[in-house]
Amino acid sequence: EIVLTQSPGTLSLSPGEGATLSCRASQSVSRSSLAWYQQKPGQAPKLLIYGTSSRATGTPDRFRGSGSGTDFTLTINRLGPDDFAVYYCQQYGSSPYTFGQGTKLEIK
Amino acid sequence: EVQLVESGGDFVHPGESLRLSCAASGFNFGDFWMTWVRQAPGKGLEWVANINLDGSEKNYVDSVRGRFTISRDNPKKSLSLQMERLRGEDTAVYYCARGAWNFDLWGQGTRVTVSS
Repeated sequence: EIVLTQSPGTLSLSPGEGATLSCRASQSVSRSSLAWYQQKPGQAPKLLIYGTSSRATGTPDRFRGSGSGTDFTLTINRLGPDDFAVYYCQQYGSSPYTFGQGTKLEIK
Repeated sequence: EVQLVESGGDFVHPGESLRLSCAASGFNFGDFWMTWVRQAPGKGLEWVANINLDGSEKNYVDSVRGRFTISRDNPKKSLSLQMERLRGEDTAVYYCARGAWNFDLWGQGTRVTVSS
């Protein structure tokens, strides 16, 4: 099973700033099969990025995914008030399709 | 409207059974793999099971294999999860989600609590 470790656990930033969220895999994620989700309290997760860097329908271009192998990054430019949430990475290169433990992006 | 709506969550005792359902609308249900994902209270997400287009292929996380059964009824646009021999660690919100590997549509979730 591939273990995904996200860092930092909590990120405190102000609106307008940029955010960099990290996701490290315990072994190489095949075919760049890495996705990112956003989850707000009491809501279901929402797909933001798939295939490491492809934005899902409706994802603003302020969100950018990058990386390969074992190291992946979600970059969010110009944070808006709606961006403060928990972000999860997920690998689907090998079963079971595991998620990271999440990074909470909070308002500073 | 394109949506998934789960139902069936409840409070049960360890060892008991429960069946979750997910009703799909607004899209061609039979054209998509479907998945169950769960989230324990205050915890992260865990992929539970998925099923292919015609129900002939099913995959499970090790912790539920042999106890949970995923199934689908394409004419009724419905996904199910039959859960047997439930344990405390199965307590979670269960989401149905569209997709085999990454999930672009989620339901609102249904809560399952297993406790004595």
